[in-house]
Amino acid sequence: GDSVTQMEGPVTLSEEAFLTINCTYTATGYPSLFWYVQYPGEGLQLLLKATKADDKGSNKGFEATYRKETTSFHLEKGSVQVSDSAVYFCALSDEQINYQLIWGAGTKLIIKP
Amino acid sequence: NAGVMQNPRHLVRRRGQEARLRCSPMKGHSHVYWYRQLPEEGLKFMVYLQKENIIDESGMPKERFSAEFPKEGPSILRIQQVVRGDSAAYFCASSPLSGYTGELFFGEGSRLTVL
Repeated sequence: GDSVTQMEGPVTLSEEAFLTINCTYTATGYPSLFWYVQYPGEGLQLLLKATKADDKGSNKGFEATYRKETTSFHLEKGSVQVSDSAVYFCALSDEQINYQLIWGAGTKLIIKP
Repeated sequence: NAGVMQNPRHLVRRRGQEARLRCSPMKGHSHVYWYRQLPEEGLKFMVYLQKENIIDESGMPKERFSAEFPKEGPSILRIQQVVRGDSAAYFCASSPLSGYTGELFFGEGSRLTVL
C-alpha cells in the first residue's frame, strides 16, 4: 500500500541555518503531496502542497518540489527562525479516496537562538 | 475562535472504562474526519462523517469503536472498554460543505492515556 517516510527527529538547528526535512513516498497512482505543521499547543495546519510531478509548493519561506523520479517531497527553508520550531508532517492523498491522507511519523524541529 | 475544537485535550481512563472524545468542526464545515496517531507513528485515518451519516469507516477497528455526528452538537468518537493499546492522540479535522477541497482543518487533538 501507499506509504510515507520522513526523517526522524528531533532536528536541532541554529537560527538562520538552512533546513531540509526529507520525505519520500511510495504510491501506485498519482497522489497529491502535502506538508502540514503543528506548532506547540495548536492543531495541524497545511503548510504547502503539490498536486502533480514537478510542482513546487511554497509558503512562509518553505518550499518543496514534487519529484516523481525520486519519489520525494523534501521540505526546505533557506533561513530558519525560532518561530519555525514545530512538528512537521509529510502526507500524501490517495488518488481514489483523496480525504484518506497517508502520513509520515512527523519530524520535530527545534530552532535555537 | 472559529477553528476546530476538540475536547477533552487530555483524558485518562483505566482499562475497561469508556472514552468519549468530542469534535466541533469549523464554522461552515459539515464534514468531519477522525485520525489516530499512535506513539512514534503517523496519523491513521479512522472515519469520515457528515451530519447524521457515516460516509467511510474503513479505518475504524471493528469492535469497541464508534463515531457519530448528530444533526445538532459535536461529533463524538466513542471507545468502549478501553485497553492500553488505545492510548494515542486522536485528531479531528473538518472540511467545507462541498467536501474535501485539498485541505483539512485540524483540531489540537485529544490525548487518551489508558492506565
